[in-house]
Amino acid sequence: AQSVAQPEDQVNVAEGNPLTVKCTYSVSGNPYLFWYVQYPNRGLQFLLKYITGDNLVKGSYGFEAEFNKSQTSFHLKKPSALVSDSALYFCAVRDSGAGSYQLTFGKGTKLSVIP
Amino acid sequence: DVKVTQSSRYLVKRTGEKVFLECVQDMDHENMFWYRQDPGLGLRLIYFSYDVKMKEKGDIPEGYSVSREKKERFSLILESASTNQTSMYLCASSKTWGANIQYFGAGTRLSVL
Repeated sequence: AQSVAQPEDQVNVAEGNPLTVKCTYSVSGNPYLFWYVQYPNRGLQFLLKYITGDNLVKGSYGFEAEFNKSQTSFHLKKPSALVSDSALYFCAVRDSGAGSYQLTFGKGTKLSVIP
Repeated sequence: DVKVTQSSRYLVKRTGEKVFLECVQDMDHENMFWYRQDPGLGLRLIYFSYDVKMKEKGDIPEGYSVSREKKERFSLILESASTNQTSMYLCASSKTWGANIQYFGAGTRLSVL
């Protein structure tokens, strides 16, 4: 079985400060990992994904994420937060093994960037 | 750009009604998905389809059914709506399996009274 944990329901950060949204995962094989963002009353938008290779993945809007296999983590980061980054962030995982089809989402972390 | 369109942003229905939620994608994607989103629970997969007329149950299929008669359209059906089906419903589509991105519609907020 595969699972994702986002240990923080909410993260508050001051505008201009670096931000981190945490995600840990569990799969039996190798993971495909994703981050999505949801603005109020909208669907989810893809930010970035990790498949294989470089552990640091760069995505949209200046976000990046670091894959750490030993800690089974895939934390989302941004060097300097903007007020417009305030949204709900979801981490998702899928086992890359054959026959695996389902994307499992975390419960989401609400990011608030304070002016 | 990929576009996934859900027919309604907001719906209000009464208990016992039959409810249809429609989703259309314009990128010739093989896979389509229906999720429900509830506060504190994240997204949970209801059903998905990997081809026309093909469907598979997700984590919470009880009380729902689906229909995929054409590749671009995936319908979610609540046979007899209940108050515990009040939720945000999200449709998504993607190319074949692997690490392909799922693209989401804007969502339908359903209230069952």
